[in-house]
Amino acid sequence: AQSVTQLGSHVSVSEGALVLLRCNYSSSVPPYLFWYVQYPNQGLQLLLKYTSAATLVKGINGFEAEFKKSETSFHLTKPSAHMSDAAEYFCAVSPGSNYKLTFGKGTLLTVNP
Amino acid sequence: DAGVIQSPRHEVTEMGQEVTLRCKPISGHNSLFWYRQTMMRGLELLIYFNNNVPIDDSGMPEDRFSAKMPNASFSTLKIQPSEPRDSAVYFCASSEDGAEAFFGQGTRLTVV
Repeated sequence: AQSVTQLGSHVSVSEGALVLLRCNYSSSVPPYLFWYVQYPNQGLQLLLKYTSAATLVKGINGFEAEFKKSETSFHLTKPSAHMSDAAEYFCAVSPGSNYKLTFGKGTLLTVNP
Repeated sequence: DAGVIQSPRHEVTEMGQEVTLRCKPISGHNSLFWYRQTMMRGLELLIYFNNNVPIDDSGMPEDRFSAKMPNASFSTLKIQPSEPRDSAVYFCASSEDGAEAFFGQGTRLTVV
Protein backbone atom coordinates (compact mmCIF):
# COMPACT_ATOMS: atom_id res chain seq x y z
CA ALA A 1 0.00 0.00 0.00
CA GLN A 2 1.07 3.57 -0.63
CA SER A 3 0.40 6.83 1.18
CA VAL A 4 1.60 10.42 1.04
CA THR A 5 1.78 13.05 3.76
CA GLN A 6 2.22 16.68 2.83
CA LEU A 7 3.30 18.76 5.82
CA GLY A 8 1.54 22.10 5.83
CA SER A 9 -1.72 22.64 4.02
CA HIS A 10 -0.77 26.27 3.40
CA VAL A 11 2.66 27.82 2.82
CA SER A 12 3.18 31.54 2.36
CA VAL A 13 6.42 33.04 1.01
CA SER A 14 7.58 36.41 -0.26
CA GLU A 15 8.40 36.91 -3.91
CA GLY A 16 12.05 36.00 -4.43
CA ALA A 17 12.22 33.77 -1.36
CA LEU A 18 12.96 30.06 -1.26
CA VAL A 19 10.02 27.72 -1.75
CA LEU A 20 10.05 24.46 0.21
CA LEU A 21 7.04 22.13 0.11
CA ARG A 22 7.38 18.95 2.13
CA CYS A 23 6.29 15.46 1.14
CA ASN A 24 6.83 12.17 2.91
CA TYR A 25 5.71 8.87 1.47
CA SER A 26 5.10 5.30 2.48
CA SER A 27 5.36 2.48 -0.02
CA SER A 28 5.66 -1.29 0.21
CA VAL A 29 7.55 -1.41 -3.10
CA PRO A 30 10.10 0.93 -4.71
CA PRO A 31 8.02 4.00 -5.45
CA TYR A 32 7.60 6.36 -8.33
CA LEU A 33 7.06 9.89 -6.98
CA PHE A 34 5.48 12.93 -8.56
CA TRP A 35 4.69 16.56 -7.94
CA TYR A 36 1.70 18.08 -9.69
CA VAL A 37 0.51 21.70 -9.68
CA GLN A 38 -3.11 22.82 -9.90
CA TYR A 39 -4.06 26.38 -10.79
CA PRO A 40 -7.58 27.59 -9.92
CA ASN A 41 -10.31 25.87 -11.93
CA GLN A 42 -7.74 23.86 -13.84
CA GLY A 43 -6.63 20.25 -14.01
CA LEU A 44 -3.37 18.94 -12.62
CA GLN A 45 -0.13 19.55 -14.47
CA LEU A 46 2.97 17.44 -13.90
CA LEU A 47 5.91 19.41 -12.48
CA LEU A 48 8.39 16.57 -12.15
CA LYS A 49 8.73 12.86 -11.47
CA TYR A 50 11.14 10.40 -9.88
CA THR A 51 11.26 6.96 -11.45
CA SER A 52 14.31 5.34 -9.81
CA ALA A 53 16.97 7.10 -11.84
CA ALA A 54 18.73 10.25 -10.57
CA THR A 55 17.68 11.19 -7.03
CA LEU A 56 17.70 14.93 -7.79
CA VAL A 57 14.97 15.63 -10.29
CA LYS A 58 14.55 18.89 -12.17
CA GLY A 59 11.16 19.93 -13.41
CA ILE A 60 9.41 22.76 -15.16
CA ASN A 61 9.28 26.37 -13.98
CA GLY A 62 12.53 26.09 -12.00
CA PHE A 63 11.29 23.50 -9.52
CA GLU A 64 13.30 20.52 -8.36
CA ALA A 65 12.89 17.70 -5.85
CA GLU A 66 15.24 15.27 -4.18
CA PHE A 67 14.37 11.65 -3.42
CA LYS A 68 15.76 10.62 -0.04
CA LYS A 69 15.08 6.97 0.65
CA SER A 70 16.47 7.07 4.19
CA GLU A 71 14.03 9.86 5.08
CA THR A 72 11.18 8.61 2.83
CA SER A 73 10.94 12.17 1.57
CA PHE A 74 10.49 13.93 -1.75
CA HIS A 75 10.46 17.64 -0.91
CA LEU A 76 9.86 20.22 -3.64
CA THR A 77 12.02 23.34 -3.83
CA LYS A 78 12.48 26.46 -5.92
CA PRO A 79 15.25 28.96 -5.13
CA SER A 80 13.24 32.09 -5.87
CA ALA A 81 9.44 32.31 -5.78
CA HIS A 82 7.52 34.14 -8.46
CA MET A 83 4.00 35.47 -8.21
CA SER A 84 2.94 33.03 -10.91
CA ASP A 85 3.91 30.10 -8.65
CA ALA A 86 0.85 30.69 -6.48
CA ALA A 87 -1.19 27.50 -6.82
CA GLU A 88 -1.94 24.22 -5.06
CA TYR A 89 0.76 21.56 -5.18
CA PHE A 90 0.17 17.84 -4.85
CA CYS A 91 2.68 15.11 -4.11
CA ALA A 92 1.78 11.63 -5.36
CA VAL A 93 3.18 8.10 -5.24
CA SER A 94 2.62 5.07 -7.43
CA PRO A 95 3.81 1.48 -7.03
CA GLY A 96 6.13 1.45 -9.98
CA SER A 97 5.17 2.04 -13.56
CA ASN A 98 1.44 1.35 -13.51
CA TYR A 99 0.93 4.98 -12.52
CA LYS A 100 -1.99 4.31 -10.21
CA LEU A 101 -1.45 7.47 -8.20
CA THR A 102 -2.12 8.06 -4.51
CA PHE A 103 -2.16 11.79 -3.79
CA GLY A 104 -1.39 13.83 -0.72
CA LYS A 105 -3.91 16.38 0.56
CA GLY A 106 -2.16 19.22 -1.22
CA THR A 107 -0.32 22.38 -0.14
CA LEU A 108 -1.61 25.80 -1.14
CA LEU A 109 1.28 28.11 -1.95
CA THR A 110 0.74 31.84 -1.57
CA VAL A 111 3.37 34.28 -2.88
CA ASN A 112 3.33 37.75 -1.35
CA PRO A 113 4.69 40.78 -3.24
CA ASP B 1 -2.99 16.74 -29.40
CA ALA B 2 -5.72 18.63 -27.54
CA GLY B 3 -5.06 16.77 -24.32
CA VAL B 4 -7.62 14.90 -22.23
CA ILE B 5 -11.05 16.31 -22.97
CA GLN B 6 -13.84 16.18 -20.42
CA SER B 7 -17.44 17.21 -20.79
CA PRO B 8 -19.34 18.95 -19.48
CA ARG B 9 -17.12 21.38 -17.55
CA HIS B 10 -19.92 22.16 -15.16
CA GLU B 11 -23.04 20.20 -14.27
CA VAL B 12 -25.81 21.14 -11.89
CA THR B 13 -28.47 18.54 -11.28
CA GLU B 14 -31.19 17.72 -8.81
CA MET B 15 -30.89 14.95 -6.30
CA GLY B 16 -32.11 11.66 -7.73
CA GLN B 17 -31.25 12.46 -11.31
CA GLU B 18 -28.82 10.48 -13.44
CA VAL B 19 -25.53 12.19 -14.27
CA THR B 20 -23.11 11.14 -16.99
CA LEU B 21 -19.60 12.52 -17.21
CA ARG B 22 -17.57 12.00 -20.37
CA CYS B 23 -13.88 11.71 -21.15
CA LYS B 24 -11.82 11.49 -24.31
CA PRO B 25 -8.26 10.39 -23.49
CA ILE B 26 -5.16 11.38 -25.42
CA SER B 27 -4.84 9.35 -28.59
CA GLY B 28 -2.48 6.41 -28.14
CA HIS B 29 -2.78 6.31 -24.37
CA ASN B 30 -3.85 2.91 -23.08
CA SER B 31 -4.56 3.69 -19.42
CA LEU B 32 -7.43 5.83 -18.17
CA PHE B 33 -8.19 6.97 -14.65
CA TRP B 34 -11.20 8.65 -13.01
CA TYR B 35 -10.48 10.74 -9.89
CA ARG B 36 -12.75 12.70 -7.58
CA GLN B 37 -11.60 15.84 -5.74
CA THR B 38 -13.34 17.22 -2.66
CA MET B 39 -12.23 19.56 0.10
CA MET B 40 -12.72 16.89 2.73
CA ARG B 41 -11.10 13.90 1.04
CA GLY B 42 -8.73 15.44 -1.49
CA LEU B 43 -8.02 13.51 -4.71
CA GLU B 44 -9.30 9.95 -4.74
CA LEU B 45 -8.87 7.37 -7.48
CA LEU B 46 -12.26 5.93 -8.40
CA ILE B 47 -11.40 3.50 -11.19
CA TYR B 48 -8.52 2.59 -13.49
CA PHE B 49 -8.79 1.09 -16.99
CA ASN B 50 -6.00 -0.48 -19.00
CA ASN B 51 -6.61 -1.30 -22.67
CA ASN B 52 -10.31 -0.53 -22.10
CA VAL B 53 -10.62 -3.12 -19.32
CA PRO B 54 -11.40 -2.06 -15.74
CA ILE B 55 -8.40 -3.13 -13.66
CA ASP B 56 -9.19 -1.64 -10.28
CA ASP B 57 -12.57 -0.22 -9.24
CA SER B 58 -11.99 -0.44 -5.51
CA GLY B 59 -12.33 3.32 -5.20
CA MET B 60 -15.85 3.47 -6.60
CA PRO B 61 -17.89 4.63 -3.61
CA GLU B 62 -21.01 2.53 -4.10
CA ASP B 63 -23.27 0.87 -6.61
CA ARG B 64 -24.70 4.20 -7.68
CA PHE B 65 -21.43 4.80 -9.51
CA SER B 66 -20.51 2.99 -12.71
CA ALA B 67 -17.86 3.54 -15.36
CA LYS B 68 -17.43 2.23 -18.87
CA MET B 69 -14.83 2.39 -21.57
CA PRO B 70 -16.42 1.04 -24.76
CA ASN B 71 -13.38 1.91 -26.88
CA ALA B 72 -9.92 3.43 -26.61
CA SER B 73 -11.14 6.95 -27.23
CA PHE B 74 -14.09 7.31 -24.87
CA SER B 75 -15.08 6.69 -21.27
CA THR B 76 -18.08 7.58 -19.14
CA LEU B 77 -18.68 7.85 -15.41
CA LYS B 78 -22.32 7.58 -14.45
CA ILE B 79 -24.01 8.34 -11.14
CA GLN B 80 -27.57 7.08 -10.73
CA PRO B 81 -29.27 8.31 -8.62
CA SER B 82 -27.18 11.32 -7.72
CA GLU B 83 -27.00 12.68 -4.15
CA PRO B 84 -25.76 16.02 -2.75
CA ARG B 85 -22.68 14.30 -1.26
CA ASP B 86 -21.58 13.43 -4.80
CA SER B 87 -20.86 17.11 -5.42
CA ALA B 88 -17.17 17.33 -6.33
CA VAL B 89 -14.79 17.92 -9.21
CA TYR B 90 -14.30 14.77 -11.25
CA PHE B 91 -11.07 14.40 -13.21
CA CYS B 92 -10.20 12.02 -15.98
CA ALA B 93 -6.54 11.25 -16.72
CA SER B 94 -4.79 9.11 -19.31
CA SER B 95 -1.32 7.70 -19.73
CA GLU B 96 0.78 5.54 -21.96
CA ASP B 97 2.43 2.51 -20.37
CA GLY B 98 5.51 3.60 -18.48
CA ALA B 99 4.68 7.30 -18.65
CA GLU B 100 3.01 9.88 -16.47
CA ALA B 101 -0.70 10.64 -16.32
CA PHE B 102 -2.13 13.68 -18.09
CA PHE B 103 -5.23 15.22 -16.55
CA GLY B 104 -8.28 16.83 -18.09
CA GLN B 105 -9.67 20.10 -16.78
CA GLY B 106 -12.32 18.34 -14.76
CA THR B 107 -16.10 18.41 -14.44
CA ARG B 108 -17.49 20.36 -11.51
CA LEU B 109 -20.63 18.53 -10.38
CA THR B 110 -23.17 20.13 -8.08
CA VAL B 111 -26.11 18.07 -6.88
CA VAL B 112 -28.84 20.14 -5.25
